[in-house]
Amino acid sequence: AQSVTQLGSHVSVSEGALVLLRCNYSSSVPPYLFWYVQYPNQGLQLLLKYTTGATLVKGINGFEAEFKKSETSFHLTKPSAHMSDAAEYFCAVSRETGNQFYFGTGTSLTVIP
Amino acid sequence: ETGVTQTPRHLVMGMTNKKSLKCEQHLGHNAMYWYKQSAKKPLELMFVYSLEERVENNSVPSRFSPECPNSSHLFLHLHTLQPEDSALYLCASSQGATRFGETQYFGPGTRLLVL
Repeated sequence: AQSVTQLGSHVSVSEGALVLLRCNYSSSVPPYLFWYVQYPNQGLQLLLKYTTGATLVKGINGFEAEFKKSETSFHLTKPSAHMSDAAEYFCAVSRETGNQFYFGTGTSLTVIP
Repeated sequence: ETGVTQTPRHLVMGMTNKKSLKCEQHLGHNAMYWYKQSAKKPLELMFVYSLEERVENNSVPSRFSPECPNSSHLFLHLHTLQPEDSALYLCASSQGATRFGETQYFGPGTRLLVL
């Protein structure tokens, strides 16, 4: 079965510091990979996704993620955190069969002024 | 109205009530989904509707009943719910199936409280 692991349910960074949110997946076949953000009382919004091609993917709001097949990882980074980045972040994968996303349990990001 | 909309945004119901959640997508997509979001748990896929198929998560209790009258509208009918069904219910849509790498677009959710 497909699974997604997000290390650290809570991450705190200072404003202006590097943001690193970790995501590892289990799959024998490279899947499609996604990062979503959820602000309070809102639905999920796509930050970025990897399907094929360049392994470094740039998304909205200055975020990027790198697909590393050898490490089965798709970590999310941002060079400089803003207060507005405080939210819940979800990693998700889908496979080349079926019609389903598999989500991680989420990482809550706090940005300290 | 753009994107994916859900009504109501908040719902409080007793265990004997019957209510329905509504989702509408204005994106011209062909697939729609219901998810349950509970604290500290991964999003749980409940139902999928697409042109090709309807998929159900076999672990979803029968007190949840989906209806998809057309590609733009999706309902979740609720009856005799339990307090553990309290959660955020999210609707999503996509142009095609996720096996093609399609993105899912989410609505704002309905916060359900079962008393």
